[in-house]
Amino acid sequence: DGGITQSPKYLFRKEGQNVTLSCEQNLNHDAMYWYRQDPGQGLRLIYYSQIVNDFQKGDIAEGYSVSREKKESFPLTVTSAQKNPTAFYLCASSIGPSGMSTYNEQFFGPGTRLTVL
Amino acid sequence: RKEVEQDPGPFNVPEGATVAFNCTYSNSASQSFFWYRQDCRKEPKLLMSVYSSGNEDGRFTAQLNRASQYISLLIRDSKLSDSATYLCVGRGAGTASKLTFGTGTRLQVTL
Repeated sequence: DGGITQSPKYLFRKEGQNVTLSCEQNLNHDAMYWYRQDPGQGLRLIYYSQIVNDFQKGDIAEGYSVSREKKESFPLTVTSAQKNPTAFYLCASSIGPSGMSTYNEQFFGPGTRLTVL
Repeated sequence: RKEVEQDPGPFNVPEGATVAFNCTYSNSASQSFFWYRQDCRKEPKLLMSVYSSGNEDGRFTAQLNRASQYISLLIRDSKLSDSATYLCVGRGAGTASKLTFGTGTRLQVTL
């Protein structure tokens, strides 16, 4: 089955700890994205990557870091510098600029709920 | 002003009703649009891409009005299973452009 997987589904973190959220896709998509969703707010882009070994900051990158060493993997680290990390984190992927889709739809993983204790 | 604005609802409609959602966008350079459906505590799932000429998929019809900068979603013959939050999404020019999400409109279909 092709798709996007995220782990863990639920994550609890103590203040001051870094945590890494996993995102893997086997859709052969070039582009991958990380969003956070807070109650009553739309999804906000944290980081995105159009191609392996390259990534760009989104709208709310402070306190987060990413890597893109493999096409299928785009892990997100929530650092202790992120002041309000409790949120629902969603990873997405799309064909990317090398693909043929004019619309370049994004497809989402099931998400990780992070709670800071 | 938010880049993509939606009425948060909730829209409470009886089964079988027709319901319409509107969404306005402020960036006239936005090139393509989507409707996503999000169930409670789940990930968004693509419902429809919105074509310039409008498009229909079964009970769902999406339309784009570039002159007035709004997108609409019409759901006919509502089912209980249509209860969800519907996210309006815009994308700027170029295939590498980011998506901008509205906060969503909540639909509750009742018996």
